[in-house]
Amino acid sequence: GAVVSQHPSWVICKSGTSVKIECRSLDFQATTMFWYRQFPKQSLMLMATSNEGSKATYEQGVEKDKFLINHASLTLSTLTVTSAHPEDSSFYICSAKPGGPTDTQYFGPGTRLTVL
Amino acid sequence: AQSVAQPEDQVNVAEGNPLTVKCTYSVSGNPYLFWYVQYPNRGLQFLLKYITGDNLVKGSYGFEAEFNKSQTSFHLKKPSALVSDSALYFCAVRGTAGGYQKVTFGIGTKLQVIP
Repeated sequence: GAVVSQHPSWVICKSGTSVKIECRSLDFQATTMFWYRQFPKQSLMLMATSNEGSKATYEQGVEKDKFLINHASLTLSTLTVTSAHPEDSSFYICSAKPGGPTDTQYFGPGTRLTVL
Repeated sequence: AQSVAQPEDQVNVAEGNPLTVKCTYSVSGNPYLFWYVQYPNRGLQFLLKYITGDNLVKGSYGFEAEFNKSQTSFHLKKPSALVSDSALYFCAVRGTAGGYQKVTFGIGTKLQVIP
């Protein structure tokens, strides 16, 4: 149980294009989803927290107009990197938290984004 | 502000020996503590958590962790290491005072189990 998928697992795009990454909770309803960015040999940096049906809460320093997050249903959240640049190249990981008393986040397998 | 410290970048241990990966934390209120493992180019897998109750928490793959409030520590342990345990381990904490606090992750400790 508690499986989270991400699609695509890797993507290469040209500078200036937009890329959408999907995060799905496969066997539970996720009231809250999180998007992280991980740089090589570093920890996870929380980018934003999204609750189903409401606007995402972005962490300080994260451009909300560049990293568009939509949490349209209890099982799906999307992150769109708009007008991507090479410095956006990174490993993006989502996690999902079920509703109720549990506080555990379940992570997706990550998406490797390379912007040329 | 809450924080997590994983003082060792890398831990090397021989297969079959006990292993310990250290974690200390600083939070407001009672802590919720987590351990995750990450294999190369993969997301994080949940190992175990401490919310309340017994200080010794047992988790997946034979791992356990001991919550020590006085030392503000939550070290990850396993009695007998396997080569397949080689991975990157993250400790995480969430405080419980002053409303919802986000989870803060440590920088990670690379565990290398030597055959």
